[in-house]
Amino acid sequence: DAGVIQSPRHEVTEMGQEVTLRCKPISGHDYLFWYRQTMMRGLELLIYFNNNVPIDDSGMPEDRFSAKMPNASFSTLKIQPSEPRDSAVYFCASRGRGGLPEQFFGPGTRLTVL
Amino acid sequence: AQKVTQAQTEISVVEKEDVTLDCVYETRDTTYYLFWYKQPPSGELVFLIRRNSFDEQNEISGRYSWNFQKSTSSFNFTITASQVVDSAVYFCALSASAYSGAGSYQLTFGKGTKLSVIP
Repeated sequence: DAGVIQSPRHEVTEMGQEVTLRCKPISGHDYLFWYRQTMMRGLELLIYFNNNVPIDDSGMPEDRFSAKMPNASFSTLKIQPSEPRDSAVYFCASRGRGGLPEQFFGPGTRLTVL
Repeated sequence: AQKVTQAQTEISVVEKEDVTLDCVYETRDTTYYLFWYKQPPSGELVFLIRRNSFDEQNEISGRYSWNFQKSTSSFNFTITASQVVDSAVYFCALSASAYSGAGSYQLTFGKGTKLSVIP
């Protein structure tokens, strides 16, 4: 079975540009999580969805960040406008049905904002 | 509030040595889960193990073993006869269980321990 798929793997953009990160969870998983990893702050949960509905977005740093999950197989994390401090690795993870709590992570998107 | 502490920031060992990575957690939940993830230099996060709070049995998987002690709120990870391929950052994580009413299994991660195995 395919794991969590993220695209792009690397993104370099200039300050002020819009950035869209994409995620395809493992088929059949009903929870989807977006994390950000930086050296200073480690792994931070940004937002998570259950059955395509956002449940908790308290980790989203500010209004420049938004996330959507239009269907069970696709989610986006958008930053508009991007700033250099948004540079980080962004991970998407999904969790399966049946009560198993472990999350499976995608390969991450390394974002660099110049 | 939940908290996971991995006091060892970096560890270096020579190949074939045993190494233990420490993890101490704090939670007010009566039932919870503990996890270990591995992040090799390539960057992906790989799930290694999950432990339920009501199951304190230690677990061994090949060269890996995990020691869960509820009395000391610790969930330590030992690699026996380390190999260069074990070089990675290892994260300990904690989540509440559905029985605690959270229902979301949000993961709280430690800061990670960077393990370098020297040939």
